[in-house]
Amino acid sequence: DAKTTQPNSMESNEEEPVHLPCNHSTISGTDYIHWYRQLPSQGPEYVIHGLTSNVNNRMASLAIAEDRKSSTLILHRATLRDAAVYYCILRSYGQNFVFGPGTRLSVLP
Amino acid sequence: ETGVTQSPTHLIKTRGQQVTLRCSSQSGHNTVSWYQQALGQGPQFIFQYYREEENGRGNFPPRFSGLQFPNYSSELNVNALELDDSALYLCASSYQGLASTDTQYFGPGTRLTVL
Repeated sequence: DAKTTQPNSMESNEEEPVHLPCNHSTISGTDYIHWYRQLPSQGPEYVIHGLTSNVNNRMASLAIAEDRKSSTLILHRATLRDAAVYYCILRSYGQNFVFGPGTRLSVLP
Repeated sequence: ETGVTQSPTHLIKTRGQQVTLRCSSQSGHNTVSWYQQALGQGPQFIFQYYREEENGRGNFPPRFSGLQFPNYSSELNVNALELDDSALYLCASSYQGLASTDTQYFGPGTRLTVL
C-alpha cells in the first residue's frame, strides 16, 4: 500500500508557483522521497528525489520537513505543460515503487 | 543517451491469447521493472529483473512472466489473457550499484486491450 497522502487535485494559474504537498508520517530512515509526474498518454517522468535535505534541479525543488514526515514539491513557474498527475513515493534503495493515486494538477492559462 | 523504449505502442488481443511486450533499457542500466497501470489508477508493480534474474515480484499471478537478456533488454509475457489485463504496461530501467540511488526511468508504455 502507498505510504503517502496527497490531495486528489490542485489548480494553478500559469506562470505562478505551485506547491504540491505530500504527507508521509510513517517514513523510515532508509526511505527516499521520490516525485514523478505523468502527462496524459505517457509513462511516469522522474522529477526529483531527496533523503533529508532540500533539493533543487532544473525541473523543480523539493522541500523536506525537518522530521521528514512531510514534503513539498515546488514548481517555480507553472506552465501548461506541467499539467499532469504528480506522484509522491517513498522508497528504499532496491525496493519497487508503490504508486498511490497522486495529485492531478490543472494549470489555467 | 537513448531513453527507455517499448514496443509495440498499442496491441489488441482476445481473451485466452498470449502476448509478449518488449522493453529496451536506457544505456548503462542493469535493472528492469514492469508495471501495470489500469485506467485512472497509479502504476502497480509486477516484477523486477536484475542481471537476468527475477528480483522481486508484486501481487500478480504466474501467468505474468518475464525475461531479461544479456544486453539488459526485457520481455513481459502474459498467458491466458483476461479482460482485466487491459491496461497500460510500463517498463522502467535503473542502475543498481555502488553510489547509485537506483532512480527508475520509465518508457512510454504499451497499451494492451483484451477483447
